[in-house]
Amino acid sequence: NAGVTQTPKFQVLKTGQSMTLQCAQDMNHEYMSWYRQDPGMGLRLIHYSVGAGITDQGEVPNGYNVSRSTTEDFPLRLLSAAPSQTSVYFCASRRQNNEKLFFGSGTQLSVL
Amino acid sequence: GENVEQHPSTLSVQEGDSAVIKCTYSDSASNYFPWYKQELGKRPQLIIDIRSNVGEKKDQRIAVTLNKTAKHFSLHITETQPEDSAVYFCAASNGAAGNKLTFGGGTRVLVKP
Repeated sequence: NAGVTQTPKFQVLKTGQSMTLQCAQDMNHEYMSWYRQDPGMGLRLIHYSVGAGITDQGEVPNGYNVSRSTTEDFPLRLLSAAPSQTSVYFCASRRQNNEKLFFGSGTQLSVL
Repeated sequence: GENVEQHPSTLSVQEGDSAVIKCTYSDSASNYFPWYKQELGKRPQLIIDIRSNVGEKKDQRIAVTLNKTAKHFSLHITETQPEDSAVYFCAASNGAAGNKLTFGGGTRVLVKP
């Protein structure tokens, strides 16, 4: 199993550009989520999904969209990038009845 | 929603000494408390967790304690080694509210040889 795979690893955007961060898992996990990591603020939940076709907002959803068309994939879209979205983004997944989260390797995003 | 506070933000210890990280949470309904370790440039990984029906749990050199009344839990690392140097995150979740994890701000631990 590859586990949770995120692409790209690094990305630089200009303010106003849009992009999609990709996340895929091959563990048949029902639950998938996106976190952003900023210094001193830990990991903050952006959006999550409990299964295909179901998504919900987390703690900091503004400026981000998600969709879950398949069990395996959970892309995160930045519609109009802002410098405040400079961060490290982690995708994570788990079984619905198991709290242990498996994280991807992260995407370091810089918005200039 | 849940709020998790973590202290200290940085911790420097001598190799062989113990390290203690403390967290408090706000939602009395939270019932699951994991700890994640993140080495430099790597992804967070679960190292130990505890549920609200247990007061203490040990796994070799690490242990976690939970005080539900005071709403705080702690991570204890004994006989620290250089490979324990990392950022540690505590978290809390409420199973009845979808098990969404809320993380603390993290503690950067440096073990000096």
